[in-house]
Amino acid sequence: GIQVEQSPPDLILQEGANSTLRCNFSDSVNNLQWFHQNPWGQLINLFYIPSGTKQNGRLSATTVATERYSLLYISSSQTTDSGVYFCAVGVGSQGNLIFGKGTKLSVKP
Amino acid sequence: GAVVSQHPSRVICKSGTSVKIECRSLDFQATTMFWYRQFPKQSLMLMATSNEGSKATYEQGVEKDKFLINHASLTLSTLTVTSAHPEDSSFYICSATGIYEQYFGPGTRLTVT
Repeated sequence: GIQVEQSPPDLILQEGANSTLRCNFSDSVNNLQWFHQNPWGQLINLFYIPSGTKQNGRLSATTVATERYSLLYISSSQTTDSGVYFCAVGVGSQGNLIFGKGTKLSVKP
Repeated sequence: GAVVSQHPSRVICKSGTSVKIECRSLDFQATTMFWYRQFPKQSLMLMATSNEGSKATYEQGVEKDKFLINHASLTLSTLTVTSAHPEDSSFYICSATGIYEQYFGPGTRLTVT
């Protein structure tokens, strides 16, 4: 089956710093989503981005489908950005997602 | 965006009992819903695909007789953990597909004592 690899596994930032999270996948996908899992476990949709570039405030994402990777950019990080960021891809017609192992981000004040 | 709810958010049960978890799409219809399980400090693993009006499709290694799934309407899917054991303790999360993307419920934390 398809493999989804995220890097780095852990990231510690000082408030105000910028960061880039990466997601590599091993096969063609028809769906790619980025999520932020908050401390209570809720998965918050950040981007639906099977290809192209999108921006939402301090966050932006780029997926290069032909090269099988996606990047999530966080600018001017805040302590509330802390949590685990997941990349998930979909390959089937049913729509189920396959998750990477996540990047745990800690933003220090 | 689309909203998916789960109930209960947290449940503690004794070993050998059964627990039912409800997943509802509040503002859209979902012919397909998904159930995931997440162990501490790990990623989400797909357990099964719930199809409205038909049998669920289970992932390899997931016991269909232990994790009963019913998708009786376009807005409700239920997961029943039968004869629960301590190793079933986990965070269970459901999702439903909107027009393009999946939306996730807030999860149910199950503790089996």
